[in-house]
Amino acid sequence: GAGVSQSPSNKVTEKGKDVELRCDPISGHTALYWYRQSLGQGLEFLIYFQGNSAPDKSGLPSDRFSAERTGGSVSTLTIQRTQQEDSAVYLCASSLGGEGIGNTIYFGEGSWLTVV
Amino acid sequence: LAKTTQPISMDSYEGQEVNITCSHNNIATNDYITWYQQFPSQGPRFIIQGYKTKVTNEVASLFIPADRKSSTLSLPRVSLSDTAVYYCLVGDSFSNDYKLSFGAGTTVTVRA
Repeated sequence: GAGVSQSPSNKVTEKGKDVELRCDPISGHTALYWYRQSLGQGLEFLIYFQGNSAPDKSGLPSDRFSAERTGGSVSTLTIQRTQQEDSAVYLCASSLGGEGIGNTIYFGEGSWLTVV
Repeated sequence: LAKTTQPISMDSYEGQEVNITCSHNNIATNDYITWYQQFPSQGPRFIIQGYKTKVTNEVASLFIPADRKSSTLSLPRVSLSDTAVYYCLVGDSFSNDYKLSFGAGTTVTVRA
């Protein structure tokens, strides 16, 4: 597609429920990122996928968080047993990745998660 | 890993030029400098990117001195719609610097 697409755009869920957030990166982009942003805060890195390499999961805050990327394209971020502190906007981004270029990251509009 | 430092906030008035300086003292040879803009309730949007000297596009200019230890984003003749948070990022295409380089950004408020 023309840009990074995320769904759902808004999600309200009850504490303890599982949620899945989807990201469809820009076609041809090999690198995919998930970030989290709480209200009024900067971006917090969660996970990074690059091609077929093992993902960098070092930013995931707990084992309730997981992500996968199927076929090198679409990615799903899963939050199990949601807590109120998980409420934030979850931003997906993608970039070309590759040698010798400034790695411009393009962001989606985010999935706004509210845990009640 | 090139850490960046930028002012927390800046105020301006419509029609003025806004200059935001970002410090990145330990920038590496392969690193590029990229600026993003974020409006409330939206994802960050790419503004401009540079490696050295000056880069200009339809939105902004980016000034980078010879030592590359800082950079200045220049927004000409701002309007109310330029009120946003501006992020300075430094990194290259090989590293995963981007996982750590997003700080709080600079909140620019443009007043009438």
